[in-house]
Order: sequence, then structure tokens, then C-alpha cells
Amino acid sequence: GAVVSQHPSRVICKSGTSVKIECRSLDFQATTMFWYRQFPKQSLMLMATSNEGSKATYEQGVEKDKFLINHASLTLSTLTVTSAHPEDSSFYICSARDPTSAPRGAKNIQYFGAGTRLSVL
Amino acid sequence: LAKTTQPISMDSYEGQEVNITCSHNNIATNDYITWYQQFPSQGPRFIIQGYKTKVTNEVASLFIPADRKSSTLSLPRVSLSDTAVYYCLVKWGFQKLVFGTGTRLLVSP
Repeated sequence: GAVVSQHPSRVICKSGTSVKIECRSLDFQATTMFWYRQFPKQSLMLMATSNEGSKATYEQGVEKDKFLINHASLTLSTLTVTSAHPEDSSFYICSARDPTSAPRGAKNIQYFGAGTRLSVL
Repeated sequence: LAKTTQPISMDSYEGQEVNITCSHNNIATNDYITWYQQFPSQGPRFIIQGYKTKVTNEVASLFIPADRKSSTLSLPRVSLSDTAVYYCLVKWGFQKLVFGTGTRLLVSP
């Protein structure tokens, strides 16, 4: 199956600093990637849809100036948490669609990175 | 308010069949229902996907009734390594992708 690499796996930073998280599709090209946030013992919440070569589409309630998304190539999307604060501490997960490697009969399956645990002190 | 709901938790023993249901009363008419497995501090892993009736692969089966307002993931003969959180993922009628609330499955010896 398709492989999505996410880096770093864990980051600890001071309040007020910015943190960049990378999401790469290793063996396929992804025109669309997704960024999710997951708090402990809760489900994944879609933050934004990242489109290669165009602006990201943010979900309601997600500040686009706070969570900057760049999808400059077909294999890389980045999420930058700007001026991070303790309430931004969470598990951030990216995913990408690979229509060419989906199991037979499947459609638009998302393949997920391993996630990034962000802790803001 | 449309929701994608699942039982919070389920307990089972090794070798038993486990059925996890997801209710999605506002699912988009033209989209698939997908199930994922998630271990702690990892990203979700694809299990199975279906549109209607029944789909089976090497690890699970997925049952979808005609009205598609729910779906049931069936795991045959679970093992300890199946202890995880299971999520359904659907697209709502207004084209928003929504994960279910998640079901924490605990498999005991």
C-alpha cells in the first residue's frame, strides 16, 4: 500500500514559537492531502484540506493564519503552527489519497502518516 | 444534528467475532464508507471500504444496509493484537468528511 511519512514524530516547544510539520507521500503523487488534529481519547477532527499548487481549504473554526499549510509539490505538504500556545498541544496527523494503489473496488482511500505529538510548554 | 456515532468501547476474548456498528444518518449518496484501525500514538490504518451490501477482505467484513444509514464492521476471530480503536469515516450530505466517534476494542486472553 501507499506510504505516507510524517516528521517529526514528536516536538516540544516553548510558547510563542512556531513549529513546522512535514507530510510526504513516499511512493505516489498526492494532489490532495489532509491535516487532522486529535486530542486524547477523542476522534480525529479534520482541520484542512491541502491542495497542490493552490490554497488550502480550512474547516470552520480553524484559524488559517495560525495553522499555515503549504502544498508546494505533489509529494510534500507542510503544516506550520505559528506562535504556538499550550492549548495547541495535540496529536497532528496528515493523510494523502492515492487513487492508483487503492485495493480493487475501493475509492479515494486516505493513507495516514504516523502523526506528530506537539507539546507546547 | 447529523452525527457519526459508534459505541464507546467493546470487550471481547480471543477467537471471538466482534461486530462494531457506526451510525451515519446523513451520509452522502455517492460516497463510500471506510473503516480504520488506530493504535496509540499512530496514524489510522485502512481496514476495509464499501458502498452497499457486503464487502469482505482478508481481515474483515463490512455490512451496509440498503438505507446506508449505518454500517457494521465484522472482525472474525479476534486476537490480542486487534486491541485498538476503530473508526468509520464517511462523507456527510454536504460533502464534509467526518470520522466516527471511535470504538475502543479490548481483546482479552
